[in-house]
Amino acid sequence: SQTIHQWPATLVQPVGSPLSLECTVEGTSNPNLYWYRQAAGRGLQLLFYSVGIGQISSEVPQNLSASRPQDRQFILSSKKLLLSDSGFYLCAWSAGGYNEQFFGPGTRLTVL
Amino acid sequence: AQSVTQLGSHVSVSEGALVLLRCNYSSSVPPYLFWYVQYPNQGLQLLLKYTTGATLVKGINGFEAEFKKSETSFHLTKPSAHMSDAAEYFCAVTPSGSARQLTFGSGTQLTVLP
Repeated sequence: SQTIHQWPATLVQPVGSPLSLECTVEGTSNPNLYWYRQAAGRGLQLLFYSVGIGQISSEVPQNLSASRPQDRQFILSSKKLLLSDSGFYLCAWSAGGYNEQFFGPGTRLTVL
Repeated sequence: AQSVTQLGSHVSVSEGALVLLRCNYSSSVPPYLFWYVQYPNQGLQLLLKYTTGATLVKGINGFEAEFKKSETSFHLTKPSAHMSDAAEYFCAVTPSGSARQLTFGSGTQLTVLP
């Protein structure tokens, strides 16, 4: 069966520091991968999605970037964090471009 | 473009009472519809989905939802609430099954009272 991992689970970082969040999927090949942010009291905002290695589409202009160095690895990064980057970051995958997405356990990021 | 409206950001029910969470959608093409549940500090878990065929779909944990095209609705129900059902619930829609275009509602926080 397929599983999706995210780490770290929680992170507290000062403003201006760099960020790297990692997501990996097991048990499937060539998944579509997604990064979402969930701010406190708000819904899910799609940040990036990827249909293959090195292929990244950005949904929202922001302080963040994403990379996909391997088929089942998706990384969310920032060079300098802002207070507004705080939130719950969720990674998800889908089998190709159709049907449902499956979500990882999330990373709680607090920027101080 | 598609959109999802979840009526009621907070819903409270007593343990054993009917759970009804409302979801209305708009889509220019036949939609695929989903309900997800999120427990505190966890990811989203798929409860159930409608793609094509039978309009009444059953999911995990005793939940079900009915696709009503004429009302553009996909309400989530459970006959008898349990304390463990307390969570946030998200309705989502995608046109013709495109996972890339999955659009989420703003969520409904369900509280179950003893």
